[in-house]
Amino acid sequence: QQQVKQSPQSLIVQKGGISIINCAYENTAFDYFPWYQQFPGKGPALLIAIRPDVSEKKEGRFTISFNKSAKQFSLHIMDSQPGDSATYFCADAFQGAQKLVFGQGTRLTINP
Amino acid sequence: NAGVTQTPKFQVLKTGQSMTLQCAQDMNHEYMSWYRQDPGMGLRLIHYSVGAGITDQGEVPNGYNVSRSTTEDFPLRLLSAAPSQTSVYFCASSHPYGNTEAFFGQGTRLTVV
Repeated sequence: QQQVKQSPQSLIVQKGGISIINCAYENTAFDYFPWYQQFPGKGPALLIAIRPDVSEKKEGRFTISFNKSAKQFSLHIMDSQPGDSATYFCADAFQGAQKLVFGQGTRLTINP
Repeated sequence: NAGVTQTPKFQVLKTGQSMTLQCAQDMNHEYMSWYRQDPGMGLRLIHYSVGAGITDQGEVPNGYNVSRSTTEDFPLRLLSAAPSQTSVYFCASSHPYGNTEAFFGQGTRLTVV
């Protein structure tokens, strides 16, 4: 079974700091790599995604970096805010969003 | 626009009972999926469907059945509940082309005692 390994499991960052979450994937067929954000009691929601032919994608304060040779990708949250406190999941996606293989999740806490 | 609606939100079952978790979407998405979320394990795919009448197994299908008679609905059946099925269940839907975002429901928290 293909796997996506995510680290760290939990992360505490001060307001205004940079939050970094890392993921590593195994050799597998994939279309793209999404990141999902989940607040307590809610379902995950797509935050940002990157295709493997791109090394970096930025949307506002959120940036994905993709390293195909290392089979790694990461999420950077710049100027982290208390409202960013949530659980973040990386995933790899095959055949669109039909089948997502998720990482274990990172609980991010931004201290004010 | 309701998106993906799951019912019930909470459920307690006794071991051996059966039940159906309901999922409905109003976005005319062809793809629908069921995931379970357990602490430290992320979300794992149970079953998925690429359209009405077509279903397939995901990573953890044992103990669960699905069917898809309409585009809108994708119920998940627990045939004989076991404590190992205590989890939070999420239904998701997506388009097969172009936009590859999966839209998730708010989840069903199931406890089997």
